[in-house]
Amino acid sequence: AQSVSQHNHHVILSEAASLELGCNYSYGGTVNLFWYVQYPGQHLQLLLKYFSGDPLVKGIKGFEAEFIKSKFSFNLRKPSVQWSDTAEYFCAVNESNAGNMLTFGGGTRLMVKP
Amino acid sequence: DTAVSQTPKYLVTQMGNDKSIKCEQNLGHDTMYWYKQDSKKFLKIMFSYNNKELIINETVPNRFSPKSPDKAHLNLHINSLELGDSAVYFCASGHRGTDTQYFGPGTRLTVL
Repeated sequence: AQSVSQHNHHVILSEAASLELGCNYSYGGTVNLFWYVQYPGQHLQLLLKYFSGDPLVKGIKGFEAEFIKSKFSFNLRKPSVQWSDTAEYFCAVNESNAGNMLTFGGGTRLMVKP
Repeated sequence: DTAVSQTPKYLVTQMGNDKSIKCEQNLGHDTMYWYKQDSKKFLKIMFSYNNKELIINETVPNRFSPKSPDKAHLNLHINSLELGDSAVYFCASGHRGTDTQYFGPGTRLTVL
């Protein structure tokens, strides 16, 4: 069974700082990769996704992620965070032969200080 | 114009009761899902369902059962509720081939 690891459980940054959240997965086959964000008290929203093609994908709100197949990684980045980016961030992986069910990482809680 | 909706938003109940959470999507998706988010924010898939196939995460107790009256609805029924069932339950939907899932607002279940 596949697993997803997010190494940073809590991250605290000041506004304008750069962000990188790590995500590694264990499955060796073909996967689809996602980052979701959950703002306080809200539901999960898709930030970006990777299915194939250019390994550097750009999402909403200035976020991007890079798929590095050799490292089984899909790290999320943003060059300059804002207070409104305070949220929980979840990396997720999907195998097409698993009923499209997503396996989530444990989440990273980001707090941006104004 | 809500894409994926869930009712109720909050549910407080006693141990041993049976309860249902409803989910509806108006996106025309063919597959729906239920996820459980525990107190530590850890998200875990429970079910994947379309009109042809139900896939159950093997760790889900058989007290939990999805019921789909039609393609736009996937309700979650829980029998004999236990304290450990307290969590936020998220419904999601997507097209089986495209893999992107859209989540509902969640139902916070508290079992006393």
